[in-house]
Amino acid sequence: LAKTTQPISMDSYEGQEVNITCSHNNIATNDYITWYQQFPSQGPRFIIQGYKTKVTNEVASLFIPADRKSSTLSLPRVSLSDTAVYYCLVGDIKTRDDKIIFGKGTRLHILP
Amino acid sequence: EPEVTQTPSHQVTQMGQEVILRCVPISNHLYFYWYRQILGQKVEFLVSFYNNEISEKSEIFDDQFSVERPDGSNFTLKIRSTKLEDSAMYFCASSQLAGVNNEQFFGPGTRLTVL
Repeated sequence: LAKTTQPISMDSYEGQEVNITCSHNNIATNDYITWYQQFPSQGPRFIIQGYKTKVTNEVASLFIPADRKSSTLSLPRVSLSDTAVYYCLVGDIKTRDDKIIFGKGTRLHILP
Repeated sequence: EPEVTQTPSHQVTQMGQEVILRCVPISNHLYFYWYRQILGQKVEFLVSFYNNEISEKSEIFDDQFSVERPDGSNFTLKIRSTKLEDSAMYFCASSQLAGVNNEQFFGPGTRLTVL
């Protein structure tokens, strides 16, 4: 799995858009970018996955530049309930390596 | 929406005792996992399981640990002779397909406290 780097923590206010950037300089051709979310005292939850350009779902958007060496998870109009740890993962879709290696993630704290 | 369930939500045990943590994966999923998270630390992979056998295990998953799918619905993690450092949240997960890029669905976890 490619090494990822993301901020340890971020604070934001309710109603704002939050962007969390993840660096993955050694991403390989077959690697996809996946984000998970973990609320306090709960298991991680898949949010979004992409390969290039932009992906959007009901929860978030994922922006991936052409060189794919970074990606940005965008959460529109956050609320207090978006307070969680967000994990960026990069992996090869062609391998059968099943395990997820979680880093420390970004601890997002939403303030009222 | 189908979900992974785990029981019990909290287990307290004495050091040296055996515990069994139970999970019911999503019904049409074929791949099963256990992870653990010590308080304040990262989520760590323990083991993956497919077709009634272990696919992969981490260094943490030593002879103290075992997994079993005793019937068509349950997936269990047994910890023999628990140690203080086994205190953690244990998460079960399941997925329909193999590979880290296929969504894994996590349960709510079992908080294990070893006294």
